[in-house]
Amino acid sequence: QSVLTQPPSVSGAPGQRVTISCTGSSSNIGAGYIVHWYQQLPGTAPKLLIYANNNRPSGVPDRFSGSKSGTSASLAITGLQAEDEADYYCQSYDRSLSGPYVFGTGTKVTVL
Amino acid sequence: EVQLVQSGAEVKKPGESLKISCKGSGYSFTNYWIGWVRQKPGKGLEWMGIIYPGDSDTRYSPSFQGQVTISADKSISTAYLQWSSLKASDTAMYYCAKWGGELGPVDYWGQGTLVTVSS
Repeated sequence: QSVLTQPPSVSGAPGQRVTISCTGSSSNIGAGYIVHWYQQLPGTAPKLLIYANNNRPSGVPDRFSGSKSGTSASLAITGLQAEDEADYYCQSYDRSLSGPYVFGTGTKVTVL
Repeated sequence: EVQLVQSGAEVKKPGESLKISCKGSGYSFTNYWIGWVRQKPGKGLEWMGIIYPGDSDTRYSPSFQGQVTISADKSISTAYLQWSSLKASDTAMYYCAKWGGELGPVDYWGQGTLVTVSS
């Protein structure tokens, strides 16, 4: 049972903006630990999308952005495209017995 | 180019043992943590454990402590995940992953090893 909670699914039309939340607690995100985001396309290994809250690796479009506040983090996708249809996971460090590394529950993004 | 190449798919019976591998290349294998991540069919990612090949410091998720063993052979830049007695519930895709730093992120992933446990 993950300590980082995400909505199971979000959807949007091409060109729209969608956001995915990642809700943690005082033992992980709320303790100041950085958050990372991964994209997993169908049938493939996950890929790093956002690191250290709001940084994009080389090659990741600027349509993807991350933010963090309090005990939560968010991933935003602006100008949604068909190829963005995938599963998205947040990940952070946790100092409770659940950790130290934890993934979010995952969110399926559907492009309508 | 950093690469993590995992061993091939396995089909095993309950009670059998198994060791899968992950060979790193294109970076200093001993200086970065390597972890293992489980993904059951249709489910999310679960962190299992991590090892620092330089000194073999190993940490396990409480959910996997005692269920699996993580090891590494730095002479051949290879990390391992092993089971002494598989269960049907171990059926999953297993990814090895290179941590970019102690707090992450995972900057490189292996292609995955599918383990199927069935009688």
